[in-house]
Formats: sequence, structure tokens, C-alpha cells
Amino acid sequence: DQQVKQNSPSLSVQEGRISILNCDYTNSMFDYFLWYKKYPAEGPTFLISISSIKDKNEDGRFTVFLNKSAKHLSLHIVPSQPGDSAVYFCAASAGGTSYGKLTFGQGTILTVHP
Amino acid sequence: EPEVTQTPSHQVTQMGQEVILRCVPISNHLYFYWYRQILGQKVEFLVSFYNNEISEKSEIFDDQFSVERPDGSNFTLKIRSTKLEDSAMYFCASSVQGKEFFGPGTRLTVL
Repeated sequence: DQQVKQNSPSLSVQEGRISILNCDYTNSMFDYFLWYKKYPAEGPTFLISISSIKDKNEDGRFTVFLNKSAKHLSLHIVPSQPGDSAVYFCAASAGGTSYGKLTFGQGTILTVHP
Repeated sequence: EPEVTQTPSHQVTQMGQEVILRCVPISNHLYFYWYRQILGQKVEFLVSFYNNEISEKSEIFDDQFSVERPDGSNFTLKIRSTKLEDSAMYFCASSVQGKEFFGPGTRLTVL
């Protein structure tokens, strides 16, 4: 089941620079997308979400962009901080009777170097 | 800030034994979920629960699994007869307005 894919297993960024994490999806029924951050031995922590009626959502240092025609979304973190080092998961849901059922990507390990 | 809590943090059991994983969702949330993550794999949806009944379940959630909301606060996942392949992190989540908030997880080890 590869409905949500994060093709980069890892990303390394210098502190203060921009981190861009990418996610692709195949299911055109997905209408809500979320990004989660996860530290080892903890549950995923909600970061930011976007509805399919928008193409951008911003919350502080985090911005999510959605390109529906390309079935692609990205998370931008500016400026990156060492505390942002974690695994980042992209997730999607389809609404309707599948309300809340999240399909996750494989995750991208972000390392921010001081 | 309210959070989802889960107990125990780690459960070790023998194959064939029953286990119950417990969760306390955020109090004003109406939708509840269980997910699992086998080591090195994706987080996978197991089941969603709304209005005291299952609203959707995955193919993983077979007859060995059940969920219950025994009172106004707890939400439990029961595995009747555990198998080695049930070893995983189990995450409970609750949601409001589409945003799901996850608990810290229970690590289940089946020997």
C-alpha cells in the first residue's frame, strides 16, 4: 500500500536554513493532509494540516504547500532549529465514511546541524 | 495542554495470551482511533470508533481484535490471542475537527 509516499528517507540541514520535506499521494479521494513530527519512544505530534480547498497553510515557522494537480505536498520549516531534528510523517485522510482514518507515509528523518 | 495518555508503556506477553491496551483520549474529543507501527514500518490504521461503535476498521483488525469504551473516559484495545507478529508500538489517538492527537504509545512484545 503506497498511497502516501515520502521518497526521501533522510534530510540533513544546517541550523537557520530552510528544511523542505516532500510527500506524494496517489489516492484522489484524499481531501485532508497532515504533518506529524515524531521523536523516538513518543507518539506522533501534530504539526500542521491543510484541506484540499487550500494550497497553502502557515503556522509560525511551518508552512505546508499542496499541489493537487501533481498530488504533491511539502512542508517548509524556516528557520530550521536543532530541536526540529525528528522523524516527519505526512498523512492523508479521505473524509466521508473514512473520516479520520489516516494513511501515513514512511517518514523522513530530519537532522538539523548547529 | 490536554493530551492522550496510554497504559502500560510496555507490555510483554506470551504468544496466545490476551492483552488489553488502555487509552484515555482528550476529554472533549468524539472520535477515537488505534494505530500500530511495527518496527521499521509505517504507522498503520487499525480502527476508528465514534458514537460507541466502530466506524471503520482495516484488514489488520480481524476477529482477534476488539475495542471498547467501557466508561466515559477509557478506550481499550483487546487482542484475544496474541501472535508473534502482533509485536509493535500501538498508538491511540483522538480527534476534533480532523486533527488527530496521538498518545505516547504502548510497546507490545509477544514472546
